[in-house]
Amino acid sequence: AQSVAQPEDQVNVAEGNPLTVKCTYSVSGNPYLFWYVQYPNRGLQFLLKYITGDNLVKGSYGFEAEFNKSQTSFHLKKPSALVSDSALYFCAVRDMIKAAGNKLTFGGGTRVLVKP
Amino acid sequence: DTAVSQTPKYLVTQMGNDKSIKCEQNLGHDTMYWYKQDSKKFLKIMFSYNNKELIINETVPNRFSPKSPDKAHLNLHINSLELGDSAVYFCASSQRGAYEQYFGPGTRLTVT
Repeated sequence: AQSVAQPEDQVNVAEGNPLTVKCTYSVSGNPYLFWYVQYPNRGLQFLLKYITGDNLVKGSYGFEAEFNKSQTSFHLKKPSALVSDSALYFCAVRDMIKAAGNKLTFGGGTRVLVKP
Repeated sequence: DTAVSQTPKYLVTQMGNDKSIKCEQNLGHDTMYWYKQDSKKFLKIMFSYNNKELIINETVPNRFSPKSPDKAHLNLHINSLELGDSAVYFCASSQRGAYEQYFGPGTRLTVT
Protein backbone atom coordinates (compact mmCIF):
# COMPACT_ATOMS: atom_id res chain seq x y z
CA ALA A 1 0.00 0.00 0.00
CA GLN A 2 1.10 3.55 -0.59
CA SER A 3 0.25 6.59 1.52
CA VAL A 4 1.16 10.24 1.94
CA ALA A 5 1.02 12.51 4.95
CA GLN A 6 1.02 16.27 4.92
CA PRO A 7 1.24 17.11 8.62
CA GLU A 8 0.26 20.78 8.34
CA ASP A 9 -3.24 21.82 7.34
CA GLN A 10 -2.06 25.39 6.81
CA VAL A 11 1.22 27.23 6.49
CA ASN A 12 1.39 30.99 6.95
CA VAL A 13 4.37 32.92 5.68
CA ALA A 14 5.21 36.54 4.99
CA GLU A 15 5.91 37.57 1.42
CA GLY A 16 9.62 37.33 0.68
CA ASN A 17 10.25 34.71 3.36
CA PRO A 18 11.14 31.09 2.60
CA LEU A 19 8.25 28.69 2.20
CA THR A 20 8.34 25.00 3.15
CA VAL A 21 5.46 22.55 2.79
CA LYS A 22 6.10 19.17 4.38
CA CYS A 23 5.35 15.73 2.95
CA THR A 24 6.21 12.23 4.09
CA TYR A 25 5.34 9.07 2.24
CA SER A 26 5.12 5.32 2.58
CA VAL A 27 5.52 2.80 -0.24
CA SER A 28 6.64 -0.79 -0.28
CA GLY A 29 9.14 -0.20 -3.07
CA ASN A 30 10.83 2.87 -4.48
CA PRO A 31 8.67 5.96 -4.82
CA TYR A 32 7.74 8.30 -7.57
CA LEU A 33 6.82 11.62 -5.90
CA PHE A 34 4.89 14.64 -7.12
CA TRP A 35 3.74 18.07 -6.03
CA TYR A 36 0.63 19.74 -7.35
CA VAL A 37 -0.92 23.13 -6.64
CA GLN A 38 -4.62 23.97 -6.70
CA TYR A 39 -5.81 27.55 -6.94
CA PRO A 40 -9.39 28.35 -5.87
CA ASN A 41 -12.01 26.83 -8.17
CA ARG A 42 -9.35 25.39 -10.44
CA GLY A 43 -7.93 21.98 -11.24
CA LEU A 44 -4.62 20.72 -9.96
CA GLN A 45 -1.50 21.95 -11.70
CA PHE A 46 1.64 19.82 -11.82
CA LEU A 47 4.64 21.51 -10.15
CA LEU A 48 7.42 18.94 -10.10
CA LYS A 49 8.29 15.28 -9.73
CA TYR A 50 11.00 13.01 -8.41
CA ILE A 51 11.54 9.81 -10.35
CA THR A 52 15.23 9.08 -9.96
CA GLY A 53 18.56 10.86 -9.90
CA ASP A 54 19.33 14.11 -8.12
CA ASN A 55 17.59 14.43 -4.76
CA LEU A 56 16.90 18.13 -5.35
CA VAL A 57 14.25 18.61 -7.98
CA LYS A 58 13.40 21.97 -9.53
CA GLY A 59 9.95 22.73 -10.85
CA SER A 60 7.61 25.45 -12.00
CA TYR A 61 7.25 28.95 -10.51
CA GLY A 62 10.54 28.77 -8.60
CA PHE A 63 9.55 25.77 -6.49
CA GLU A 64 11.89 22.93 -5.64
CA ALA A 65 11.64 19.78 -3.54
CA GLU A 66 14.16 17.60 -1.80
CA PHE A 67 13.83 13.83 -1.77
CA ASN A 68 15.16 12.28 1.45
CA LYS A 69 14.99 8.50 1.35
CA SER A 70 16.09 7.91 4.94
CA GLN A 71 13.40 10.23 6.27
CA THR A 72 10.87 9.21 3.58
CA SER A 73 10.19 12.87 2.95
CA PHE A 74 9.69 15.10 -0.06
CA HIS A 75 9.31 18.64 1.24
CA LEU A 76 8.38 21.45 -1.14
CA LYS A 77 10.35 24.69 -0.86
CA LYS A 78 10.51 28.15 -2.31
CA PRO A 79 13.25 30.57 -1.26
CA SER A 80 11.08 33.68 -1.45
CA ALA A 81 7.30 33.36 -1.30
CA LEU A 82 4.90 35.54 -3.26
CA VAL A 83 1.33 36.48 -2.38
CA SER A 84 0.32 34.71 -5.59
CA ASP A 85 1.69 31.44 -4.16
CA SER A 86 -1.29 31.32 -1.81
CA ALA A 87 -3.08 28.10 -2.76
CA LEU A 88 -3.66 24.49 -1.77
CA TYR A 89 -0.67 22.20 -2.24
CA PHE A 90 -0.85 18.44 -2.66
CA CYS A 91 1.90 15.88 -2.38
CA ALA A 92 1.36 12.56 -4.19
CA VAL A 93 3.16 9.25 -4.44
CA ARG A 94 3.07 6.13 -6.54
CA ASP A 95 4.96 2.93 -6.04
CA MET A 96 7.54 2.54 -8.80
CA ILE A 97 6.64 -1.08 -9.44
CA LYS A 98 3.39 -1.94 -7.80
CA ALA A 99 1.07 0.94 -8.66
CA ALA A 100 -1.12 -0.54 -11.35
CA GLY A 101 -2.51 1.94 -13.78
CA ASN A 102 -0.21 4.72 -12.59
CA LYS A 103 -2.29 5.08 -9.43
CA LEU A 104 -1.37 8.19 -7.45
CA THR A 105 -2.18 8.53 -3.78
CA PHE A 106 -2.56 12.12 -2.61
CA GLY A 107 -1.96 13.69 0.76
CA GLY A 108 -4.68 15.69 2.41
CA GLY A 109 -3.35 19.00 1.14
CA THR A 110 -1.72 21.99 2.83
CA ARG A 111 -3.15 25.44 2.46
CA VAL A 112 -0.48 28.09 2.02
CA LEU A 113 -1.28 31.68 2.90
CA VAL A 114 1.33 34.27 1.97
CA LYS A 115 0.72 37.62 3.58
CA PRO A 116 1.97 40.89 2.10
CA ASP B 1 -6.19 25.38 -26.28
CA THR B 2 -7.46 23.60 -23.19
CA ALA B 3 -5.47 20.43 -22.54
CA VAL B 4 -8.02 18.59 -20.40
CA SER B 5 -11.58 19.88 -20.56
CA GLN B 6 -14.70 18.88 -18.67
CA THR B 7 -18.36 19.65 -19.15
CA PRO B 8 -20.34 20.86 -17.42
CA LYS B 9 -18.42 23.02 -14.96
CA TYR B 10 -21.35 23.09 -12.54
CA LEU B 11 -24.12 20.54 -12.16
CA VAL B 12 -27.01 20.95 -9.75
CA THR B 13 -29.54 18.16 -9.64
CA GLN B 14 -31.97 16.36 -7.38
CA MET B 15 -31.56 13.07 -5.58
CA GLY B 16 -32.48 10.10 -7.69
CA ASN B 17 -31.60 11.68 -11.02
CA ASP B 18 -29.06 10.30 -13.50
CA LYS B 19 -26.34 12.60 -14.83
CA SER B 20 -23.18 12.47 -16.93
CA ILE B 21 -19.93 14.40 -16.91
CA LYS B 22 -17.78 14.50 -20.02
CA CYS B 23 -14.01 14.74 -20.27
CA GLU B 24 -11.77 15.25 -23.26
CA GLN B 25 -8.01 15.60 -23.53
CA ASN B 26 -6.10 16.86 -26.55
CA LEU B 27 -2.64 15.97 -25.24
CA GLY B 28 -2.45 12.64 -27.04
CA HIS B 29 -2.22 10.81 -23.72
CA ASP B 30 -3.15 7.15 -23.47
CA THR B 31 -4.40 7.05 -19.87
CA MET B 32 -7.29 8.93 -18.30
CA TYR B 33 -8.62 9.13 -14.75
CA TRP B 34 -11.55 10.25 -12.67
CA TYR B 35 -10.99 11.67 -9.17
CA LYS B 36 -13.42 12.82 -6.51
CA GLN B 37 -12.57 15.75 -4.25
CA ASP B 38 -14.77 16.01 -1.20
CA SER B 39 -15.71 19.07 0.83
CA LYS B 40 -12.53 18.75 2.90
CA LYS B 41 -10.47 18.82 -0.32
CA PHE B 42 -9.45 15.20 0.05
CA LEU B 43 -8.69 13.79 -3.40
CA LYS B 44 -9.27 10.14 -4.23
CA ILE B 45 -8.99 8.23 -7.46
CA MET B 46 -12.12 6.51 -8.75
CA PHE B 47 -11.22 5.04 -12.13
CA SER B 48 -8.39 4.82 -14.62
CA TYR B 49 -8.55 3.85 -18.30
CA ASN B 50 -5.64 3.02 -20.55
CA ASN B 51 -6.40 2.94 -24.28
CA LYS B 52 -10.09 2.45 -23.50
CA GLU B 53 -9.41 -0.43 -21.09
CA LEU B 54 -10.40 -0.13 -17.42
CA ILE B 55 -7.27 -0.39 -15.28
CA ILE B 56 -8.22 1.02 -11.88
CA ASN B 57 -11.63 0.63 -10.33
CA GLU B 58 -11.54 1.70 -6.73
CA THR B 59 -14.30 0.90 -4.26
CA VAL B 60 -16.83 3.10 -5.96
CA PRO B 61 -20.58 2.33 -5.90
CA ASN B 62 -21.96 0.60 -8.98
CA ARG B 63 -24.03 3.70 -9.62
CA PHE B 64 -20.88 5.22 -11.08
CA SER B 65 -19.99 3.95 -14.53
CA PRO B 66 -17.14 5.30 -16.62
CA LYS B 67 -17.19 5.03 -20.39
CA SER B 68 -14.29 5.59 -22.75
CA PRO B 69 -15.39 5.80 -26.39
CA ASP B 70 -11.80 6.48 -27.47
CA LYS B 71 -8.55 7.26 -25.73
CA ALA B 72 -9.17 11.02 -25.83
CA HIS B 73 -12.48 10.81 -23.98
CA LEU B 74 -13.56 9.46 -20.61
CA ASN B 75 -17.09 10.14 -19.46
CA LEU B 76 -18.61 9.49 -16.05
CA HIS B 77 -22.24 8.48 -15.71
CA ILE B 78 -23.89 8.49 -12.31
CA ASN B 79 -27.22 6.78 -11.65
CA SER B 80 -29.62 7.45 -8.81
CA LEU B 81 -27.70 10.40 -7.42
CA GLU B 82 -27.40 10.69 -3.64
CA LEU B 83 -26.62 13.63 -1.38
CA GLY B 84 -23.20 12.13 -0.62
CA ASP B 85 -22.25 12.33 -4.28
CA SER B 86 -21.95 16.09 -3.95
CA ALA B 87 -18.28 16.85 -4.63
CA VAL B 88 -15.93 18.17 -7.26
CA TYR B 89 -15.06 15.59 -9.88
CA PHE B 90 -11.77 15.93 -11.72
CA CYS B 91 -10.70 14.25 -14.90
CA ALA B 92 -6.97 13.80 -15.56
CA SER B 93 -4.72 12.25 -18.17
CA SER B 94 -1.16 11.04 -18.47
CA GLN B 95 1.18 9.52 -20.97
CA ARG B 96 2.73 6.11 -20.38
CA GLY B 97 6.26 6.57 -19.09
CA ALA B 98 5.78 10.16 -17.95
CA TYR B 99 3.74 9.46 -14.77
CA GLU B 100 2.63 13.01 -14.00
CA GLN B 101 -1.06 13.56 -14.53
CA TYR B 102 -2.71 16.64 -16.01
CA PHE B 103 -6.01 17.68 -14.53
CA GLY B 104 -9.13 19.26 -15.93
CA PRO B 105 -10.83 22.25 -14.28
CA GLY B 106 -13.31 20.09 -12.38
CA THR B 107 -17.08 19.66 -12.29
CA ARG B 108 -18.82 20.78 -9.14
CA LEU B 109 -21.76 18.44 -8.58
CA THR B 110 -24.41 19.47 -6.08
CA VAL B 111 -27.16 17.02 -5.25
CA THR B 112 -30.19 18.50 -3.47
